[in-house]
Amino acid sequence: DAGVTQTPRHEVAEKGQTIILKCEPVSGHNDLFWYRQTKIQGLELLSYFRSKSLMEDGGAFKDRFKAEMLNSSFSTLKIQPTEPKDSAVYLCASSLGWGGASAETLYFGSGTRLTVL
Amino acid sequence: AQSVTQPDARVTVSEGASLQLRCKYSYFGTPYLFWYVQYPRQGLQLLLKYYPGDPVVQGVNGFEAEFSKSNSSFHLRKASVHWSDWAVYFCAAGTQVVGQLTFGRGTRLQVYA
Repeated sequence: DAGVTQTPRHEVAEKGQTIILKCEPVSGHNDLFWYRQTKIQGLELLSYFRSKSLMEDGGAFKDRFKAEMLNSSFSTLKIQPTEPKDSAVYLCASSLGWGGASAETLYFGSGTRLTVL
Repeated sequence: AQSVTQPDARVTVSEGASLQLRCKYSYFGTPYLFWYVQYPRQGLQLLLKYYPGDPVVQGVNGFEAEFSKSNSSFHLRKASVHWSDWAVYFCAAGTQVVGQLTFGRGTRLQVYA
């Protein structure tokens, strides 16, 4: 079974550019998450979708960050315009969701390392 | 507010030594608890997860964790560390009501021969 696929693995952008990161979740998963990972802040939730509906839009990240689920098997994260402080690893994760008495596992992609100059 | 605290940013051990990585949580009620591991240049992978039942949970690669309600803790242990365990370990907690996990800041484990 394919895991979570993220493209590209690396992205270099100039300040002010628009970049789009892509994610393909595990087939059949209902929940999809976008996280930003930095050494200083750790893992920060950017967006959370359940069955393609946006459940969490990341609060402080709303103004320049926009995540979409175009269909159940593809999601994008757009950053517009980029700033040097956006340099980080962006992780996408998916899961079956919470059901019954079981707690569902998150499956992570390998991430996209973004560098903004 | 919900929170997960990993008090040790970095832990260094010798290969073959025992290991404990600490995790404290603050949640209303008893959340489900998880340990994830992140190897260099990879995403996070599940080591083990706990939901109400036996307080000691077995995971992959010889890891185990013990839940303590009285201490609000979920510490990760391993009897004998291998060099390949060099990674960052994340503790996380969540509930079905919230539908998402709260992650700790991570503990970087370094293993020396």
